[in-house]
Amino acid sequence: DTGVSQNPRHKITKRGQNVTFRCDPISEHNRLYWYRQTLGQGPEFLTYFQNEAQLEKSRLLSDRFSAERPKGSFSTLEIQRTEQGDSAMYLCASSLGRTGTYEQYFGPGTRLTVT
Amino acid sequence: GQQVMQIPQYQHVQEGEDFTTYCNSSTTLSNIQWYKQRPGGHPVFLIQLVKSGEVKKQKRLTFQFGEAKKNSSLHITATQTTDVGTYYCAERRRSSNTGKLIFGQGTTLQVKP
Repeated sequence: DTGVSQNPRHKITKRGQNVTFRCDPISEHNRLYWYRQTLGQGPEFLTYFQNEAQLEKSRLLSDRFSAERPKGSFSTLEIQRTEQGDSAMYLCASSLGRTGTYEQYFGPGTRLTVT
Repeated sequence: GQQVMQIPQYQHVQEGEDFTTYCNSSTTLSNIQWYKQRPGGHPVFLIQLVKSGEVKKQKRLTFQFGEAKKNSSLHITATQTTDVGTYYCAERRRSSNTGKLIFGQGTTLQVKP
């Protein structure tokens, strides 16, 4: 499978616990995005990596959230001290970034439930 | 918050009927991308529109970008049950040079067989 993969697919955690999600983008894609999607809403941008550099973070990304892409390949998104409001689908997307080919390929997402 | 508005939020049609979703912005859009998300699935890219007045077709789907680049529409002719899902328009922001997408709220299409 050469698409974007995300792990785990589902995560149930208790409030206050830390969670970490992983995204493996399409191998030749240098651009990687994290989005959050809640029920009935479109995805909302969280953060963007070009290769290993994190170039933009949304104001939605509080200081409890941190993302990394250490070698410019896979990325991790960590949420510390989870709150019930963090319950959502976390989507990762990647793109090639060349002129004219900006379509983003989304992974299946990690659904987080905070109890 | 989101700056791209989509209407309607929901649409129920009989199989074979047409369907249209509209995407509107108060500001000029750099471009518009359309995505489809099946129930339980993830967004899948359909098309990108860049030029004023642009019209593109994919089989039964017709995409339009307004002359003023402030609105866009997706029209499906003779819907089929396989068209069920949520259709999102999204602006790819050039201003920050990241290509991040700003999504509308989506239009959920239900098709009765």
